[in-house]
Parts: sequence; structure tokens; C-alpha cells
Amino acid sequence: NAGVTQTPKFQVLKTGQSMTLQCAQDMNHEYMSWYRQDPGMGLRLIHYSVGAGITDQGEVPNGYNVSRSTTEDFPLRLLSAAPSQTSVYFCASSYSSSGGAQETQYFGPGTRLLVL
Amino acid sequence: QQPVQSPQAVILREGEDAVINCSSSKALYSVHWYRQKHGEAPVFLMILLKGGEQKGHDKISASFNEKKQQSSLYLTASQLSYSGTYFCGTVDQTGANNLFFGTGTRLTVIP
Repeated sequence: NAGVTQTPKFQVLKTGQSMTLQCAQDMNHEYMSWYRQDPGMGLRLIHYSVGAGITDQGEVPNGYNVSRSTTEDFPLRLLSAAPSQTSVYFCASSYSSSGGAQETQYFGPGTRLLVL
Repeated sequence: QQPVQSPQAVILREGEDAVINCSSSKALYSVHWYRQKHGEAPVFLMILLKGGEQKGHDKISASFNEKKQQSSLYLTASQLSYSGTYFCGTVDQTGANNLFFGTGTRLTVIP
């Protein structure tokens, strides 16, 4: 198993550009989520999904969109990048949809995003 | 809703013990502990559930005081490999499927 994979590893954007951060898992996990990590702020939940076709907002959803068309993939879209979105983004997954946040989270390696 | 961790940082010599604390203002269903090394992803250590169930590493111990909405992670006989940033995460009893992380405790173990 590859576990949770994320692409790209590193990206530089200009203000106003859009892009999609990719996340995939091969563990047949129902629950997937996106976090951003900023210095001194810990990990903050952006969006999550409890299964294909179902998504919901987390703590800091503004400026980001998600969709979940398959169990395996959970892309995160930045609509119009801003310098405040410079961060490290982690995707995570866990087994159960009913208790996804309550179970072991498996994190991807992260995507470092710099917005100029 | 973010839990509060203390201390923010701690430096230990190999073999010494440390306690990291996590507290929440909300009634909790579970507390999670993760360790992150620099430039890497967080790695699961332990989950403590309301009612006393625990899941996690044999060499890591933790407690969960449901009434006080607090958890503590106990690191005994520390090794150099214990260095990293420790995060607690909490799931509250509102039913929302969200895991909120604290800001982390940076642990450095020196020879």
C-alpha cells in the first residue's frame, strides 16, 4: 500500500492564480480531510469528507473548495490564491465514516505552498 | 475549539521523563496524540476515548480526565528518537466529525 499520497510536494503561485492540490489513498478509507499547518498555529481543519459525494467545512474553509467523486481521491482547490494561504497542507484519511475524526488519522507527506 | 497544550517547549536529557498536557473548554469524546518530526507528516501515537478505552503504542502512556476535559502524555526514559513536536487533538461530544489540534509542544532530547 502506498498509503496517503499528495502531489505536488512543493508549489509556488502568484496571487490570484488557482490550483488543485491532489490527495489519494489506497486503503479504502471513508473519511478524508485537509489540514493546513502554519508556524505556531498547529494543524487546522479546512474541509473533510465522510464518503464519496459528501463533504463538509472545517475550521478554516474560506478560499478553498473540495469534492469527493471517488473513495480514493479528495482534491483541494484554491480558487484565487492569496499570500495568507502560504502554508503546508496535509491530507489525512481514516477508516470509518461514522467515526472518522475519532479514529487513527493517516497523514500524507504534505504539500508546501508559497503564494507570492 | 482548539485545545491548549503545555508546555510549549521542553528540553530533556536522555533518560529523563516529561509530561505534556492538553486541555479543552468543551466536553470531549476523545483525545488523540501525534508526533511530528521536522519536515515530516504527523504520526499517530495514541487515542483515548470517553469511557476509558485506549488505542496506541505500548511504550507510550497517557491519561484522559473526562471531568476536567484534560489529557496528559507521559514520556518516560526519553530517547533521542523522541524529539519532535507533539500535538494533541480533540473530538468533542457535539457529534461533529471534527478533530481539532493544539498548537504543539516541541520536545528536544539531548545526549
